Formats: sequence, C-alpha cells, structure tokens
Amino acid sequence: SQLAEENLWALSVHEGESVTVNCSYKTSITALQWYRQKSGEGPAQLILIRSNEREKRNGRLRATLDTSSQSSSLSITATRCEDTAVYFCATESNMGYKLTFGTGTSLLVDP
Amino acid sequence: AQTIHQWPVAEIKAVGSPLSLGCTIKGKSSPNLYWYWQATGGTLQQLFYSITVGQVESVVQLNLSASRPKDDQFILSTEKLLLSHSGFYLCAWSLERGAQDTQYFGPGTRLLVL
Repeated sequence: SQLAEENLWALSVHEGESVTVNCSYKTSITALQWYRQKSGEGPAQLILIRSNEREKRNGRLRATLDTSSQSSSLSITATRCEDTAVYFCATESNMGYKLTFGTGTSLLVDP
Repeated sequence: AQTIHQWPVAEIKAVGSPLSLGCTIKGKSSPNLYWYWQATGGTLQQLFYSITVGQVESVVQLNLSASRPKDDQFILSTEKLLLSHSGFYLCAWSLERGAQDTQYFGPGTRLLVL
C-alpha cells in the first residue's frame, strides 16, 4: 500500500490565483516533505515539515500538517506560470532511509 | 557549492543488453546516496540507498544492482535490460536519513529500452 498519496491527479488555475494540493499518508511519520518536479528535471524540495510542526512557510508556499488525520496540504498563493509542475509529498517508512513519494499532482498555471 | 552530475544524459538500449548509469556528487563529504526510478508520468520509486562506501541497500527488486566504489560515486547497473527498465533514473544525496533531511536530486538519465 502507498505510504503517501496526493488527493488529486491534476489541477489547473489561472496565473495569480491560489491553489492547494493535498496529501494523505497511512503511517506515523516524523516528517513530511513537499517536492516540485518540472518537466524533464529532477525534483526539488519546497518544504520539510516535522511532525511537531503544524505549519511551515517558504515565500508564497505554505504547508500544513495534521498528524491526527494523517494529512498535509501545500498552498501556493499568487501562482505564476513557472509554478507549472508536478507536486509530490514524501514521507519516510520505518526503514529509516527510504523516502516514499506520493503519486503526484500535476499543476498547470495558465497565463 | 555541492554539485551532482549524472551520466549519460540519455540512452537507447536493446532488450537484453547491459547498462551502467553513473552519479557523482562533488562538494559534500560522506553523503547518503540514493537511486530512484520514475516511469513516464509516474511517481518516484526508491531503488537503492548507500550510507557509506562499499555498502548498498536494496529497496525494491527490479533486476538492477548498485555499487558505491568511491565516497562521491554511485553506479546503477544490470547485465540484461528488460523493457520495464525504461524510464527516468534519478540520483540523489542527503546528509540525514529518510524524511528528516532534504534530498538533492541530479538532472536524471532518461532510458529507453527497445
């Protein structure tokens, strides 16, 4: 079974709008990461949020973590065309070194 | 500054042929190293990780093997490619384990097996 999964496969917004990507996971975690992968590139980390944190910000990005419902969200405000990418959440398994990525949400930001 | 280099950039190979992909990390001593595989349009699946020279742990079995001959080098290989090996191979490094730390990814190698 997947340890992490995003709730929507694809989203489309107009530039300047806000958007939220959701992620649910099935085991207890110590941290959750959000990554962005642009077409043809390797992923790049956006935010790392630890289990004792409820919210983390990075510029226009805001991640939340709810350990009681085992879910996380990534919100992007004032979207730009360059935010077009696939967004993954990633959590650890009890194997320690294994980082499990969700299925990804493809975000398209239209001009 | 740390840099991560993967080679080759892309490969087209025949089923049954051997494969060797490489990854080099410069500017960071004793990193944890990882290999990931990504099918087109799919998620990233971790294949191997290594926390020290000469030691590699397998995460999933895909008829691939990995080695870490030097502190800054990670090699992914197989003697006989399958069609299912096609995809995007990514090398990554981190200082801490799992989700505790950022994983920094290389540019990837795109592999097409025919």
